[in-house]
Amino acid sequence: EVQLLDSGGGSVQPGGSLRLSCAASGFTFSNYALTWVRQTPGRGLEWVSSISAGGGVSYFADSVKGRFTMSRDNSNNTFYLQMNSLRVEDTAIYFCAKWAGAAAAGTGYYFDYWGPGSLVTVS
Amino acid sequence: DIQLTQSPSSLSASVGDRVTITCRASPSMNRNLNWYQHKPGKAPKLLIYTASTLQSGVPSRFSGSGSATDFTLTINGLQPEDFATYYCQQSYSTPWTFGQGTKVEV
Repeated sequence: EVQLLDSGGGSVQPGGSLRLSCAASGFTFSNYALTWVRQTPGRGLEWVSSISAGGGVSYFADSVKGRFTMSRDNSNNTFYLQMNSLRVEDTAIYFCAKWAGAAAAGTGYYFDYWGPGSLVTVS
Repeated sequence: DIQLTQSPSSLSASVGDRVTITCRASPSMNRNLNWYQHKPGKAPKLLIYTASTLQSGVPSRFSGSGSATDFTLTINGLQPEDFATYYCQQSYSTPWTFGQGTKVEV
């Protein structure tokens, strides 16, 4: 059974940093791209970032580019979202999700499994 | 960016009803359109991918159709566990985008 468990959410002041983690199990971790999606009351679901199966390529939404980075540890089945220079508008529930393909920008795929979400509050 | 507009934003329905949710894409795309169900406090769940393929384990009362600019999610015979918010999402081009959601209420 595929499971994703995100952690690391919390409260932080504007300009601060936070790192989210997502521990995965139930699939061959190194074969798939991984992603972060966030949910805000005003903007609904918003894709944040993706990292390729090998970890060499990552993409970010314009709203977080230059402030967020993404990494993965294929030996530990865990991936991360490092969030720096946080803004009030980054307040959201952050979901980690598995992408059904290996390429971070592979078209025709989908978010096939999701974690339960971590609340990040910037205030 | 591909913009997805769902309608309606919310709807009221009863158990046993047939429910139809529409997702309109701009500009036009192919069939790389996916549907998710989300309940508060839970992980979103993939229902349908590439417009009409049912994800494994999803009940057959869910179905999807459409291409280019107009897509539809249909629930035939709404069940109590189906009251949730539904989102469409495109994987035609990055950045991946979502519709604003449709809340299905009792």
